[in-house]
Amino acid sequence: ETGVTQTPRHLVMGMTNKKSLKCEQHLGHNAMYWYKQSAKKPLELMFVYSLEERVENNSVPSRFSPECPNSSHLFLHLHTLQPEDSALYLCASSQAAIGSGANVLTFGAGSRLTVL
Amino acid sequence: AQSVTQPDIHITVSEGASLELRCNYSYGATPYLFWYVQSPGQGLQLLLKYFSGDTLVQGIKGFEAEFKRSQSSFNLRKPSVHWSDAAEYCCAAGASDAGKSTFGDGTTLTVKP
Repeated sequence: ETGVTQTPRHLVMGMTNKKSLKCEQHLGHNAMYWYKQSAKKPLELMFVYSLEERVENNSVPSRFSPECPNSSHLFLHLHTLQPEDSALYLCASSQAAIGSGANVLTFGAGSRLTVL
Repeated sequence: AQSVTQPDIHITVSEGASLELRCNYSYGATPYLFWYVQSPGQGLQLLLKYFSGDTLVQGIKGFEAEFKRSQSSFNLRKPSVHWSDAAEYCCAAGASDAGKSTFGDGTTLTVKP
């Protein structure tokens, strides 16, 4: 496989469930990102990992918990979510380690999350 | 505060017609500028970017964009739109001292037969 792969593509969960989103990049990139995309709102940056170290956490509620076990994999663990958390969650990677707005992002296709 | 504005939420053009999507930015200095396209059910794909040099940049799929410093704009253009161009288009900007890009709200393009 090439590029950035996200699984699952669709997820429906109740407010008391625990689930995880997975992202894998096959590009040898050094930074990985989680974005939230809600309808008619700009992309919201959630977390950034650079060389497996979390370098940014944009005031995201603790019910979202990221994990980056190695430079190729990124997870977003979900628990006790709210209906307003329903959105498209996009994973991205960049070749450059964090530190420049010149980073070109390569995105996955996203995981569509619905919280009932 | 840094911001990116895409004034048009939705644009409809006929197939074969020309297209211009607007993007304005507000940054302390000239930022790095990007246009991404998102097809239904897909993630964002880079169309083109501007870092420095020639203010008219060419991208994939026949798109181009022009950086105008005086207008703080980076508008995306295509001379003849194809039905497959129907998608969401996002403008983004980044600063050299910041590791993240700021995205606009996006413009949805509909192409009429």
